[in-house]
Amino acid sequence: GAVVSQHPSRVICKSGTSVKIECRSLDFQATTMFWYRQFPKKSLMLMATSNEGSKATYEQGVEKDKFLINHASLTLSTLTVTSAHPEDSSFYICSARDWDPMGEKLFFGSGTQLSVL
Amino acid sequence: GEDVEQSLFLSVREGDSSVINCTYTDSSSTYLYWYKQEPGAGLQLLTYIFSNMDMKQDQRLTVLLNKKDKHLSLRIADTQTGDSAIYFCAESMSSSASKIIFGSGTRLSIRP
Repeated sequence: GAVVSQHPSRVICKSGTSVKIECRSLDFQATTMFWYRQFPKKSLMLMATSNEGSKATYEQGVEKDKFLINHASLTLSTLTVTSAHPEDSSFYICSARDWDPMGEKLFFGSGTQLSVL
Repeated sequence: GEDVEQSLFLSVREGDSSVINCTYTDSSSTYLYWYKQEPGAGLQLLTYIFSNMDMKQDQRLTVLLNKKDKHLSLRIADTQTGDSAIYFCAESMSSSASKIIFGSGTRLSIRP
């Protein structure tokens, strides 16, 4: 099946710095990728939909200036957490959409655990 | 708003059946999914069921849907150590990936 690679898997940063997370579709082109966030013991929440060549669509309550999304190619979307603070510590996971005869399918990265000190 | 709830942990003896339960709030849910996440890997779609079905079986996996109670379960027969993972329940009203609502995941651990 299709593979989505997400890096880094774990990152620790100081408060005030920015962190970039990459999401790559390895063997297919993804015009649409999704970014999720999960707090401990909570649901995986959709943050934004990343569209190749256009602006991302953010879910209600997600600060677009805080979480910058760039989808400059058909195989790469990046999420940059700007001026990170401890409350941004969370598990972030991306997915990429692909199609087969059965319809739309999502393929997920392995996630990034962000810890902001 | 929509909500999907599931218990956080389940421990099962190897060879026994595992039953992972999930409840959802949106009665207009059309698609209900089970995803599996193994350590260090992404979520993988295990199976899904349409809301007009009440059961779906695929080898060791059985999905039961009680639409009246908005309750979904995943039964894994003859649980093996390779089944250790986090299992996410999810629902959506459409086939659009952007509209999928996930639960918190149930961590399944296997006892020898």
